[in-house]
Amino acid sequence: EAGVAQSPRYKIIEKRQSVAFWCNPISGHATLYWYQQILGQGPKLLIQFQNNGVVDDSQLPKDRFSAERLKGVDSTLKIQPAKLEDSAVYLCASSLVLGQGPEAFFGQGTRLTVV
Amino acid sequence: QKEVEQDPGPLSVPEGAIVSLNCTYSNSAFQYFMWYRQYSRKGPELLMYTYSSGNKEDGRFTAQVDKSSKYISLFIRDSQPSDSATYLCAMKGGGFKTIFGAGTRLFVKA
Repeated sequence: EAGVAQSPRYKIIEKRQSVAFWCNPISGHATLYWYQQILGQGPKLLIQFQNNGVVDDSQLPKDRFSAERLKGVDSTLKIQPAKLEDSAVYLCASSLVLGQGPEAFFGQGTRLTVV
Repeated sequence: QKEVEQDPGPLSVPEGAIVSLNCTYSNSAFQYFMWYRQYSRKGPELLMYTYSSGNKEDGRFTAQVDKSSKYISLFIRDSQPSDSATYLCAMKGGGFKTIFGAGTRLFVKA
């Protein structure tokens, strides 16, 4: 079974630039999550999709972050414009069904450095 | 007060030792209690999870949940150098959002 795929693995950008991350969840998984993990902290949920609908985006800084999941499969997370404090690892996770059990499958993450 | 508190460590133990990792929480609505292992530059990997309270064992790993004290534990028996990683506790309630602890860094010395 293929895992959760994320790209790119690493990205360095200057502040005020824009950046986009891509996630391909495990085939058949309806629920997709984007997490932000700042160095030394646990992951923090940014947005949660069920198929192509948003379930929870209460912690997404909507003035600069956006995410979409067209056709209920792949997803992209965008930051525009980036700030220094956005430096973090962005993790994508997927689950078979919303609400039943934990997020079992995480991707390797995209490490973003904003300079 | 954070919803989930976890001592960041680091915790250093000799090979073969029993390791005890703990978290406390404040939200009584949490129903799922998880432990993830995260190696450097990798995504979290689900080790074990418990629904509601009680104990669960899987090989060298035992997870315990005490809902009356709002306290969860992960025990690792016969620890190995390959167990060196960051261990994240996480909890999930009726609102489906998962809250993670900050993680405890564990080093097992050969």
